[in-house]
Amino acid sequence: DTEVTQTPKHLVMGMTNKKSLKCEQHMGHRAMYWYKQKAKKPPELMFVYSYEKLSINESVPSRFSPECPNSSLLNLHLHALQPEDSALYLCASSHPTSGGAHEQFFGPGTRLTVL
Amino acid sequence: DQQVKQNSPSLSVQEGRISILNCDYTNSMFDYFLWYKKYPAEGPTFLISISSIKDKNEDGRFTVFLNKSAKHLSLHIVPSQPGDSAVYFCAASVSGGSNYKLTFGKGTLLTVNP
Repeated sequence: DTEVTQTPKHLVMGMTNKKSLKCEQHMGHRAMYWYKQKAKKPPELMFVYSYEKLSINESVPSRFSPECPNSSLLNLHLHALQPEDSALYLCASSHPTSGGAHEQFFGPGTRLTVL
Repeated sequence: DQQVKQNSPSLSVQEGRISILNCDYTNSMFDYFLWYKKYPAEGPTFLISISSIKDKNEDGRFTVFLNKSAKHLSLHIVPSQPGDSAVYFCAASVSGGSNYKLTFGKGTLLTVNP
């Protein structure tokens, strides 16, 4: 299995809703990432988990809450989002190697619309 | 401050010809470089990478060249095919330690015309 899967593919939510995005990989990767991508912009890193521990939080607002239940799964819990949070949310994974390659493999993304 | 720059927002080439996508970087600590291809509404797909100890890496129709002194890399696609039409992102990272960050350029939209 060489892919990263994400669910749901599309999500529409109101500003008072609570929802979760899910990501799964079975490549044995021990680093997993959440990115946000707006139209015509590059992916913007939000969080990095390494060996199921949060290692990078790029000053993301607390209305986004990541969770890594095990080495294959990554969740992003959403609460009280704003319309400007509407974007494509991408999950990625990689082998965390010191001094080596950092190819990150991306999932197809969840298109989030906040009304 | 943009550390990875793709100065051409778009590029149009004829099918069968060479596509050359360029990328410049400013951070001399970067030592690993990657190219990703992205179709609309999909996640980026990893294409090819190169370490700073090399100046060329080839994989089928894709070749990446790295000029460290100029802080410049390029992706060559030969021959170009209509299915190559997509946005191409250049990315850079610093190896070692716990640094997993990829710094992306803004992307170049490649259109390959039949």
